Amino acid sequence: AQTVTQSQPEMSVQEAETVTLSCTYDTSESDYYLFWYKQPPSRQMILVIRQEAYKQQNATENRFSVNFQKAAKSFSLKISDSQLGDAAMYFCASVGRSQGNLIFGKGTKLSVKP
Amino acid sequence: DTAVSQTPKYLVTQMGNDKSIKCEQNLGHDTMYWYKQDSKKFLKIMFSYNNKELIINETVPNRFSPKSPDKAHLNLHINSLELGDSAVYFCASSQGGGPLNTIYFGEGSWLTVV
Repeated sequence: AQTVTQSQPEMSVQEAETVTLSCTYDTSESDYYLFWYKQPPSRQMILVIRQEAYKQQNATENRFSVNFQKAAKSFSLKISDSQLGDAAMYFCASVGRSQGNLIFGKGTKLSVKP
Repeated sequence: DTAVSQTPKYLVTQMGNDKSIKCEQNLGHDTMYWYKQDSKKFLKIMFSYNNKELIINETVPNRFSPKSPDKAHLNLHINSLELGDSAVYFCASSQGGGPLNTIYFGEGSWLTVV
């Protein structure tokens, strides 16, 4: 079975500051991908960043980067220079080769203060 | 151009009615999905189709029937709607059919059953 846990229901960050959202996962598969999705109030699910488990290098996308600790099964998201538009629900998700579908965490609501 | 489009975006209907949500993707993907996001914002897979064939069918009441006329379309029909069916339903697609390909989501269809 595959599980994804986000232990922070809500987080807050000051505009222009840096925030880290936590995610841990559990999987029996050796081949899997990890994702962070953003869901703004519009409810659309937007892919933020993805990480292939076989890659040791942490993925980065502009202001978004991950800290992937495979042995610890940890996959945190760091948002640098936070902007008001970053305010949203953030979902961590994983998919394994044999499993076939995304398993989501329960989400972290991020607020950005001006 | 919207990559994964769903209609309607909002739907309010009475208990006992039958309704459909349509989904189309123009990404050339051959795998499509339906996810349900409940009132607690928990996202869970419902169905997955690859090249018009059902490959994932989670524990979903048989009042829910997906239909894939071609690989670019996956519609969701719901019979005898119940209050608990109120949720946001997301259509999604991925390329290649494999579980390790990035999944792209539509904007969601917000269903309210009264």
